[in-house]
Amino acid sequence: EIVLTQSPGTLSVSPGERATLSCRASQSVSRGFLAWYQQKPGQAPRLLIYGASSRATGIPDRFSGSGFGTEFTLTIDRLEPEDFTFYYCQQYGSSPWTFGQGTKVEI
Amino acid sequence: QVQLQESGPGLVKPSQTLSLTCSVSGGSTSDGSYYWSWIRQHPGKGLEVIGYIYYSGTTYYNPALQSRVTISLDTSKNQFSLKLTSVTAADTAVYFCARVVIVTDVSGYNDYWGQGTLVTVSS
Repeated sequence: EIVLTQSPGTLSVSPGERATLSCRASQSVSRGFLAWYQQKPGQAPRLLIYGASSRATGIPDRFSGSGFGTEFTLTIDRLEPEDFTFYYCQQYGSSPWTFGQGTKVEI
Repeated sequence: QVQLQESGPGLVKPSQTLSLTCSVSGGSTSDGSYYWSWIRQHPGKGLEVIGYIYYSGTTYYNPALQSRVTISLDTSKNQFSLKLTSVTAADTAVYFCARVVIVTDVSGYNDYWGQGTLVTVSS
């Protein structure tokens, strides 16, 4: 199965700044089938990005995704207070679909 | 707005069967554009896909759990269910149901999720 490694484990940034989160795959992710989710404690994950770079419905344009092959990035511009939480990447190009272990974005 | 809601016992004894149901509203489990999936999250850890089902009844299970998992679908009730047999403490987790947007026959991403339900395996 494809192992996804997210870095850093914790990212310390200030409101208004940019956050750059990395997701590295142990094998190439087929056709860029990679998604990013935001999860707040006690809540379900929320889809942010699919297909590596397509924003889901209702997601602000300060969230953007990029990458291909084994290297993917989620960028959050102009961090808002509600953005400080956990983020997970998921590949759905090869079965079993797998998730990264997560990055916590903190103030 | 699509909504999913998990229900079932929050406590299961070791060696017994974990059973959960996901009720779907605002969308139809008969819609051929989606799979219906179960995902779990161990306390303080990442997410693991358990498996998913199509309206035709076709299923996919994570090989790591395949021998113990059954996912079924009741389109008349707009519900789908999870059964996990022979549970141990390692199965203690928050269990989520989710809708999967089908991209190809074997790929898709989760666009709507239930709130999740904590299942603890303990005697």
